[in-house]
Amino acid sequence: KAGVTQTPRYLIKTRGQQVTLSCSPISGHRSVSWYQQTPGQGLQFLFEYFSETQRNKGNFPGRFSGRQFSNSRSEMNVSTLELGDSALYLCASSSVSGLAGGAEQFFGPGTRLTVL
Amino acid sequence: AQKITQTQPGMFVQEKEAVTLDCTYDTSDQSYGLFWYKQPSSGEMIFLIYQGSYDEQNATEGRYSLNFQKARKSANLVISASQLGDSAMYFCAMRVHGSGNTGKLIFGQGTTLQVKP
Repeated sequence: KAGVTQTPRYLIKTRGQQVTLSCSPISGHRSVSWYQQTPGQGLQFLFEYFSETQRNKGNFPGRFSGRQFSNSRSEMNVSTLELGDSALYLCASSSVSGLAGGAEQFFGPGTRLTVL
Repeated sequence: AQKITQTQPGMFVQEKEAVTLDCTYDTSDQSYGLFWYKQPSSGEMIFLIYQGSYDEQNATEGRYSLNFQKARKSANLVISASQLGDSAMYFCAMRVHGSGNTGKLIFGQGTTLQVKP
């Protein structure tokens, strides 16, 4: 079974531009979550999608948005990039959404975004 | 407030010895799950082990075991027989199974483990 894939793996953008990151979950997984990892703030939850609906959102400005398609693939968009958006963006997929009893989240390799 | 605390920024262990990475958590919810992930320098987060709040037995996965002490709100990771490939950053995380029923994970700041030959 293929793991979680994220594209692109590396991205360099300039301030003010926008960027779209893609995440393909493990086959059969319907929940996709996105996280931002920076040296200063650590790992922070951005949002989660389940069956094409956003179920939860972290404390990020509206410049960060996402969506999920019917095949469970998810995209994350950041508009008007700022220097502070430079980070490793990780997505995770899960077979169920937050039910007790397990449902491990498996992460992709991440997209490393550099904003110049 | 829900929070994960990892108090050891860095740890060293001799190859083949056991090591314990500390994790304490804070939540007022009764139903939650605790996770440990390993992040090598490549950046990928590798799932290691899971413990549910209602699980009576401590979770084990190969060389990994989770020392779950609910009253103390601690979920320490024990790695037995350390290997050089265990050198990485380790994150403790929590997911609360509240009415929101979401996949949101709350992470600690991580512990860097270095295994010495």
